[in-house]
Amino acid sequence: GIQVEQSPPDLILQEGANSTLRCNFSDSVNNLQWFHQNPWGQLINLFYIPSGTKQNGRLSATTVATERYSLLYISSSQTTDSGVYFCAVATNFNKFYFGSGTKLNVKP
Amino acid sequence: KAGVTQTPRYLIKTRGQQVTLSCSPISGHRSVSWYQQTPGQGLQFLFEYFSETQRNKGNFPGRFSGRQFSNSRSEMNVSTLELGDSALYLCASSPGASGTREQFFGPGTRLTVL
Repeated sequence: GIQVEQSPPDLILQEGANSTLRCNFSDSVNNLQWFHQNPWGQLINLFYIPSGTKQNGRLSATTVATERYSLLYISSSQTTDSGVYFCAVATNFNKFYFGSGTKLNVKP
Repeated sequence: KAGVTQTPRYLIKTRGQQVTLSCSPISGHRSVSWYQQTPGQGLQFLFEYFSETQRNKGNFPGRFSGRQFSNSRSEMNVSTLELGDSALYLCASSPGASGTREQFFGPGTRLTVL
């Protein structure tokens, strides 16, 4: 199966700081998503980004499919950004593989 | 458009019992995937159903089974529960078969086995 590595595993930030989360994957993929898991366990869709760059407010993501990595940028972090961020990848008609997540703690 | 719904949200069972969890996908979505999340193993894929057919299966014992109905609603069943089955069970729906389109997750069912 596809190996998905996320870094860093843990991140502590002061409110207002910026951060970059990384997702490396071991094979070519057709599908890549970033999720934020809230304290109640629900996975919230952040980006569907098999390639290219997208932005949504303070968050943006870039996937370089040919080099097998994706980056999630969080700018001006807020305490509500705390939680676990997951990257998931898949090839067509096959299951998704999840990374082990980056646990973000934003302190006021 | 309503999101993915899962019932029940919380469940407590004892070892040896069986349990059935339900997932209703977003209207028009034909694919439902199930995942188990535990602190030690992370998010693990259980199986995926598309148009009532199981298309993909993860590495779980036969005690874990599922099905999908003609309205795309899905159920998963765990028989002879073990303590290690305590987990958050998440389902995801997608308009296309697994891997081809964006997937959306429900709130999960938190199962505790005593």
